[in-house]
Amino acid sequence: GQQVMQIPQYQHVQEGEDFTTYCNSSTTLSNIQWYKQRPGGHPVFLIQLVKSGEVKKQKRLTFQFGEAKKNSSLHITATQTTDVGTYFCAGRGLSFGAGTTVTVRA
Amino acid sequence: GAGVSQSPSNKVTEKGKDVELRCDPISGHTALYWYRQSLGQGLEFLIYFQGNSAPDKSGLPSDRFSAERTGGSVSTLTIQRTQQEDSAVYLCASSIPGQYNEQFFGPGTRLTVL
Repeated sequence: GQQVMQIPQYQHVQEGEDFTTYCNSSTTLSNIQWYKQRPGGHPVFLIQLVKSGEVKKQKRLTFQFGEAKKNSSLHITATQTTDVGTYFCAGRGLSFGAGTTVTVRA
Repeated sequence: GAGVSQSPSNKVTEKGKDVELRCDPISGHTALYWYRQSLGQGLEFLIYFQGNSAPDKSGLPSDRFSAERTGGSVSTLTIQRTQQEDSAVYLCASSIPGQYNEQFFGPGTRLTVL
């Protein structure tokens, strides 16, 4: 079945720094979605990427879909404490990665 | 409008008992998903409904788990003879099927099996 892997599993970031989390699939994806789950909360949809090489931005978040549509990345600039949570990628909505849990040092 | 709702929000049960978890999707959402999330872990896919049928049951961990959906709306996830390893948060999500199937998640049911 489809496998989606995320790295790193944990990301400890100094407030104000940038970081990137990666999502890799064993198969070509028709689309990829990113979700954020705050501590104690439920996953909330962030964005969907569909096209090869697509790049989308949401304020300090930049999402990219690989040319081969088998990987994706989320880059956060100038990390803030509000960025704390777990970021999941999902392929075709059924196969979620294990997530990258982000903590921020003030 | 109302989001996805789940009940109960918390359920504590004894090992060996049966439990039923309920999910009310967003009105008009024909696709419904169940996931399980153990403490500090990712989302484990359990089952997916399109309307009342479940084309993908591949994620159900054992035959103690079953789910149904009636009227294309409410879904129940039943766990029979619960075991301690069933303790987790059970999340339900719904979506409009199609290429842009953003999933809307409910708040989850926290199940604790003693």
